[in-house]
Amino acid sequence: DVVLTQTPPTLSATIGQSVSISCRSSQSLLDSDGDTYLNWLLQRPGQSPQLLIYSVSNLESGVPNRFSGSGSETDFTLKISGVEAEDLGVYYCMQATHAPLTFGSGTKLEIK
Amino acid sequence: EVQLVESGGGLVQPGRSLSLSCAASGFTFSDYNMAWVRQAPKKGLEWVATISYDGTNTYYRDSVKGRFTISRDNAKSTLYLQMDSLRSEDTATYYCARHVMDAWGQGASVTVSS
Repeated sequence: DVVLTQTPPTLSATIGQSVSISCRSSQSLLDSDGDTYLNWLLQRPGQSPQLLIYSVSNLESGVPNRFSGSGSETDFTLKISGVEAEDLGVYYCMQATHAPLTFGSGTKLEIK
Repeated sequence: EVQLVESGGGLVQPGRSLSLSCAASGFTFSDYNMAWVRQAPKKGLEWVATISYDGTNTYYRDSVKGRFTISRDNAKSTLYLQMDSLRSEDTATYYCARHVMDAWGQGASVTVSS
């Protein structure tokens, strides 16, 4: 199975600060169809996960543009440009290039 | 509005069975592959199973193969998960989701304990 390693496990930020989360894959996530199926999700406290970014860098509808994704092959980054209070929660990367679908272990974002 | 609503969770003894349902609305259910994802208490997300849009193909994580069965009724826009021979390690909140993970239900809690 593909292992996704997220760092850091915990992140503490002030409102307005920019932060980045890294997701490293044990295998290239570039699919034979040319797409890279690496997504980012946010799970707010007590809520279900929600999709933020799909295919590395595509913003899901309704997601604020302070969220951005980048990367390729095995190294990916989620950036939040100007953290807001509502951004607290656990961020997960997930891959759907290789079966079975796998998730990273999560990065908890706390607001100082 | 896309909605996924799970039902059927609860407390069950080890070795017994439980069935979950997920009622979908707000989109054409039969167009989408669907999945079950679970989250053990205080743990991360774990994919459980996926079913193709027409129900012809199913996929399972190794730890549930032979014990869990994913199915769907496109006429009722409903996804199912039949869980047999339950173990304590199956204790989790079970979410139904579109396989592309762009829509999730609120989750159904399953506790396996004697």
